[in-house]
Amino acid sequence: DGGITQSPKYLFRKEGQNVTLSCEQNLNHDAMYWYRQDPGQGLRLIYYSQIVNDFQKGDIAEGYSVSREKKESFPLTVTSAQKNPTAFYLCASTAFLTGELFFGEGSRLTVL
Amino acid sequence: AQSVTQLGSHVSVSEGALVLLRCNYSSSVPPYLFWYVQYPNQGLQLLLKYTSAATLVKGINGFEAEFKKSETSFHLTKPSAHMRDAAEYFCAVSDPNFGNEKLTFGTGTRLTIIP
Repeated sequence: DGGITQSPKYLFRKEGQNVTLSCEQNLNHDAMYWYRQDPGQGLRLIYYSQIVNDFQKGDIAEGYSVSREKKESFPLTVTSAQKNPTAFYLCASTAFLTGELFFGEGSRLTVL
Repeated sequence: AQSVTQLGSHVSVSEGALVLLRCNYSSSVPPYLFWYVQYPNQGLQLLLKYTSAATLVKGINGFEAEFKKSETSFHLTKPSAHMRDAAEYFCAVSDPNFGNEKLTFGTGTRLTIIP
């Protein structure tokens, strides 16, 4: 079945450590996104990529980095510069011009 | 810039009662509008979308929404609530300046169903 796979589902990190969240899709979608979800704040866009080897900052990109070396993959690194990284992270993708996002199951990051 | 306002962060209805979740949007050009549902510790799933065709949009699980341009609203309704409808619901608006590929989400409404 086609879909989006995020891993790991749960992750614990010590302060000062970088961590990378994986996102893979087999939907042949061009655009991919990373959102952060906090209680009562909805989803906020971190980064997005519309084509391979190109990506743009979203509304809350500080302390995060991404790469898009393959169409299927869009990993997110949460760096030690991110002041409050504990959150639920969602990856999504969409086919060109449809506007309909398909989401992964999410990764919950907890900083200890 | 696009924005979305969802009135009511928590809504409770009795099983079998009408569900009404409110969404108002702000957009300088006709947008695409979406409702997504999220069950605990899961990703979001599309319920329905408006893309400038029929103003009354039917979605999955018996939900529907009506686009009202004069009121800049896109409220979600279901005639009879079921226990399985308990979840968090998000309204979203697209940005036509990005080919409708960039969505802005509301803060969500948590729906509780009372047995």
